[in-house]
Amino acid sequence: DTEVTQTPKHLVMGMTNKKSLKCEQHMGHRAMYWYKQKAKKPPELMFVYSYEKLSINESVPSRFSPECPNSSLLNLHLHALQPEDSALYLCASSQRVTSEAAEQYFGPGTRLTVT
Amino acid sequence: AQKVTQAQTEISVVEKEDVTLDCVYETRDTTYYLFWYKQPPSGELVFLIRRNSFDEQNEISGRYSWNFQKSTSSFNFTITASQVVDSAVYFCALSGLTQGGSEKLVFGKGTKLTVNP
Repeated sequence: DTEVTQTPKHLVMGMTNKKSLKCEQHMGHRAMYWYKQKAKKPPELMFVYSYEKLSINESVPSRFSPECPNSSLLNLHLHALQPEDSALYLCASSQRVTSEAAEQYFGPGTRLTVT
Repeated sequence: AQKVTQAQTEISVVEKEDVTLDCVYETRDTTYYLFWYKQPPSGELVFLIRRNSFDEQNEISGRYSWNFQKSTSSFNFTITASQVVDSAVYFCALSGLTQGGSEKLVFGKGTKLTVNP
């Protein structure tokens, strides 16, 4: 099973709202990722968690706050977003192999609209 | 710095035609990994293949085949006898050797393939 699930599928929020995106995988993967994808662009890496620890933050604004409660779950907490943050947010996971770059498996994404 | 170039922005073919998607990469690493992903209109990126820099064997999987040539830094993807369901955006991506337990995928800009009936 190579499934990564994400909820919700769609989210509309105002600039003063607080919301969270959720990602879950049960493949035993120990690396999890958040990407942001604008229309007609490739995905842009936001955060990487390795063994539940944040290992990469691609200079993402603090209004995005990631959290990895356990090895299967990844959350992205959103607060005071701007309309330009509207995008498809993709979660991915991969095996953690120290000497190789494993393939990443992606979820279906959450389409976020900030009004 | 690592870079992936997919020069073809959009390709349109008629069903049953063969089509090749080009991917050229740049890296200073001696060990690296190349990937292809498919993104249908539904939005989910689907993993297609991973290749490491030491394995230059071409690969075939059904109607899909990949041609990896280190001499030209290319990793091209061919779909034989294309079908309407192949319509999607295809991304080529590059990753260096894992350091500190984290991987960064560098994506090309993608090629939008439309297969018309």
